Parts: sequence; C-alpha cells; structure tokens
Amino acid sequence: DQQVKQNSPSLSVQEGRISILNCDYTNSMFDYFLWYKKYPAEGPTFLISISSIKDKNEDGRFTVFLNKSAKHLSLHIVPSQPGDSAVYFCAASAAGANNLFFGTGTRLTVIP
Amino acid sequence: ETGVTQTPRHLVMGMTNKKSLKCEQHLGHNAMYWYKQSAKKPLELMFVYNFKEQTENNSVPSRFSPECPNSSHLFLHLHTLQPEDSALYLCASSSRGLSTGELFFGEGSRLTVL
Repeated sequence: DQQVKQNSPSLSVQEGRISILNCDYTNSMFDYFLWYKKYPAEGPTFLISISSIKDKNEDGRFTVFLNKSAKHLSLHIVPSQPGDSAVYFCAASAAGANNLFFGTGTRLTVIP
Repeated sequence: ETGVTQTPRHLVMGMTNKKSLKCEQHLGHNAMYWYKQSAKKPLELMFVYNFKEQTENNSVPSRFSPECPNSSHLFLHLHTLQPEDSALYLCASSSRGLSTGELFFGEGSRLTVL
C-alpha cells in the first residue's frame, strides 16, 4: 500500500498564476518531506524540503506547506512559468529509516 | 561532467541475457542507491549502499544483483529478467542518507525486457 499519495496525475495552469500540487501521506512516523522535479529524459532533481517541526518553508517562488494533523503537504509555485512544466514528486522519510518513499508524481503544464 | 552518470541510457535484452547497468557519481558522496520506476507506480527503492556496504535490500529478486566496488561506482547486474522488469532504473547518491538528505539522481537507464 502506498504511504505517499499524489492523487492528481496532472495539472494545467496559466503562466503567472499559482500552481498548487498536493500530497497526502499515511505514516505518522514521517518527519521529513521533499519535493523533486523531473524533466523528460532527466533524473529527478531536488526542489525543496520541510521538516515536521515546521509548517512552511519558502524558497523563492516555491513554498511547501505541511499540515501534520491532516497528513497533507502542498507545493505552491508563484508565479508559475513555462519552464516549471515537469513532473513533480512528493517524498517522505522517517528519522533513522533507510528509505525514502515517493508518490507517483503530478505532471504540471504551465500554459504560456 | 554531471554529478551522477548512468550507462547505458537504453537497454533492450532478452530474458536469457546477462547485462549490467553502471552508475558513477562525482559528488564525493558516501551513499548510493538503485531505484526502479515502473509506469504509473512510485519510485521503489531497491538497494542502499553506505560506504560501499549494502545496508538495505528491499526484497528485490535475486535476478537483480548489485555491486559497489567503491564509493563512486555502483552496478546493477541483470540476469534472466522477466518482461515485467521493464522499467526506468535510477541511480542516486547522497551525503547524508535517506532520512534527512536530498538525493542526486542520474538520468536513468531505460530497460526493456523482451
């Protein structure tokens, strides 16, 4: 059973608007969360992370929000740019664990 | 030179063949990983190596055999694979492990088993 779920396989957004990508998890032991971005024919690249002791982390146009009670995190991209078009993976891990669990990804398309 | 390089990028093999995937990292990391990405499935961790020692094997069938001769190189030896093993195999490295560190991925090796 998947411990990290991205229920939206795709999302389309107009350039300049906000993109919101969602991720849910089931394991309450997870305490570190990451977002990766993947372009076609390339490997995933790290984008932003958040520890469970925070509820928000911001890096330029990218902000990750964590709601521990709902076991939910989201990635906000503002303003969205065509170069942001990619597949975004959510990932989660637990302290001391030797695994990083990924979601199935959401394909974001930013329309110029 | 990119941080993590994988060869070959594409591989087609029959079920009785023996082939190997190679991964090399130029980042000075001490941990390396093999992940499998099948269509519409999450990335699945296959093997973990820390300082050349295998520390995790996620119930991977023995037809997949990893080898880590040093901290910079990782191989995945393939033998008598099945068509359902067709997938993208991603190598990654990190400096701080899986629980708090980011991974640096290679571009992947696309495997097709006929």
